[in-house]
Order: sequence, then C-alpha cells, then structure tokens
Amino acid sequence: AQKVTQAQTEISVVEKEDVTLDCVYETRDTTYYLFWYKQPPSGELVFLIRRNSFDEQNEISGRYSWNFQKSTSSFNFTITASQVVDSAVYFCALSEENAGNMLTFGGGTRLMVKP
Amino acid sequence: EAQVTQNPRYLITVTGKKLTVTCSQNMNHEYMSWYRQDPGLGLRQIYYSMNVEVTDKGDVPEGYKVSRKEKRNFPLILESPSPNQTSLYFCASSLWASGPNEQFFGPGTRLTVL
Repeated sequence: AQKVTQAQTEISVVEKEDVTLDCVYETRDTTYYLFWYKQPPSGELVFLIRRNSFDEQNEISGRYSWNFQKSTSSFNFTITASQVVDSAVYFCALSEENAGNMLTFGGGTRLMVKP
Repeated sequence: EAQVTQNPRYLITVTGKKLTVTCSQNMNHEYMSWYRQDPGLGLRQIYYSMNVEVTDKGDVPEGYKVSRKEKRNFPLILESPSPNQTSLYFCASSLWASGPNEQFFGPGTRLTVL
C-alpha cells in the first residue's frame, strides 16, 4: 500500500532563511508519481510540481527546488530565502501506477515565515 | 476561465438528512476526484473517476456515493450524513496523459453535520 510521511508538522523560520520540507514515501511499484501542493491561508490548493519515478533529476524553479532520491524514498522540497508569502501548508502526494490511480497525501507541513 | 466549482461552499446539516455537493469543471478533464481534509490527516481520497460512468473507491469511501453521468460533473452524495463526516471537502480534476497530472482543485466545501 502506498504511504506518504511528512514528519515535520510545523516549521517556523525567519524571513530569508532557507528551509527544507521532508517527504518520505512507501511504494511497491516501480512506476509512480510524486507531487507537491501548497495550501496558503486562503485555503485553495496550488500545484507545485509533478515527478515520475524514472526521472530523478533535481528540479529548480526560482526559489523552489526539489531533491528526489529513490535510494531513500524521499522527495524533499527546499525554499531558498524564504518570504512571508511562503507561509502555507505544504502537502506531498504519491500515486502508484498499479494502485488504481489513487492519490495519497501526506499529513502536510505547516510553514510559518516570520518577518 | 478554467476552473473547478463546488456548491455549496458552506453547509450545516443534521444527522441523517441526505445531501449532495456538486462539482463541475470546464476543462474537459477525464479525471475527477473527491477528497476530505481533516486536521493532521492531510487530504484523503474518497472516490475518483477516470471518465464517464467509471468510478472507483479511494481511501475513505464509506458513507459516500458518487456518480459520473457527464464528463464535467462529479457530485458527492451523503445518503445519511453523520457527525464524523464533518470536514472540508475538495473536488479536483485533471487531464490523464501518461499517468496522473496536475490536479486542479475547487475552492472547498465546509460541511458540518450536527
């Protein structure tokens, strides 16, 4: 069964600090997809990234970067030079090819960036 | 504007009174899904649909029903709501090409069952 663990329930940083949000997943499939979503205080869910299991290349998008390591079953998310607007709950999610296309979310990490 | 709409946005009801939460998308997406969000548990998938007349159970389907008679609509039905179904509900849709893609979420429906 697929499972996603976000061990950090809350993180608090001061603006301009770098912060890494951890995501560890469990799967028996060789083909799977990983996602990160952001939920700001306004409540909507915003897509950040999708990665398939065959693409271990790290990704950078502005201040955001993602480190996918199959050897440790992790898909960590780093925000460089954090800003107050980054304050949100961040969710990591997993979809296995052979799990009927179910999407399993982690419990989320609440990030608070203080000025 | 490409969007997923849900109605109602807020609902307070009583135990046992059947209700339907509507979900509609205007992006011609094949895949639609319902989630519930509870504190500390993240989002849990209730049901999903790969296309018209094709629906499957997610992690927490008990107490819910869905139907997919048209591509754009995916209503969530609670035949006999109970207090443990008090939650924040999200509908989502996405294209289905080479596996699951970015999901577009509706604004959420906050349901309280007394």
